[in-house]
Amino acid sequence: AQSVSQHNHHVILSEAASLELGCNYSYGGTVNLFWYVQYPGQHLQLLLKYFSGDPLVKGIKGFEAEFIKSKFSFNLRKPSVQWSDTAEYFCAVRGSSNTGKLIFGQGTTLQVKP
Amino acid sequence: DGGITQSPKYLFRKEGQNVTLSCEQNLNHDAMYWYRQDPGQGLRLIYYSQIVNDFQKGDIAEGYSVSREKKESFPLTVTSAQKNPTAFYLCASTRDRGNNQPQHFGDGTRLSIL
Repeated sequence: AQSVSQHNHHVILSEAASLELGCNYSYGGTVNLFWYVQYPGQHLQLLLKYFSGDPLVKGIKGFEAEFIKSKFSFNLRKPSVQWSDTAEYFCAVRGSSNTGKLIFGQGTTLQVKP
Repeated sequence: DGGITQSPKYLFRKEGQNVTLSCEQNLNHDAMYWYRQDPGQGLRLIYYSQIVNDFQKGDIAEGYSVSREKKESFPLTVTSAQKNPTAFYLCASTRDRGNNQPQHFGDGTRLSIL
């Protein structure tokens, strides 16, 4: 069965620190990969996605993620976080045979201290 | 503006009562999804529908029912058989049957037991 694992459940950083959130998935075939963000009191928003091509994808607000197929990983990075990045972050995977179904990780709560 | 509207924002259920959560989209999307979000567990798929008058069970369908009589509407009923209904419920949609498109999310409905 497909699964997604996010290694960090709660991360606390100071402003300007670098961020890396881990995401590993289990699926043997072609995948689409996503990072979603949920700011306090807001709906889930797409940060970035990977379908094919360059494994380093750039998203909104300075976020990027790298797809490493051999490691089944899609880690999210940002060189310098801001207080406004405080949110919950979800990694999600969609297998090519699943016709739309997303499998989500458990989520990582990021708290950025000013 | 196009989007997904979930109502109500907060809902309270008495023991033994069925309640229905509304999800409406004006994006002309074909596929719609219902997720349940619990702390520390991410989002889990309840039901999904790729076309009008057709829907499929997700990973945690027991105690829930849906209908898809119109393209823009995908209501979720939480039945009395769902023994632990307290959660945050999210509705999502995608333009086609799901592949190659990210999901768009509504603002969610928070369901609590009285």
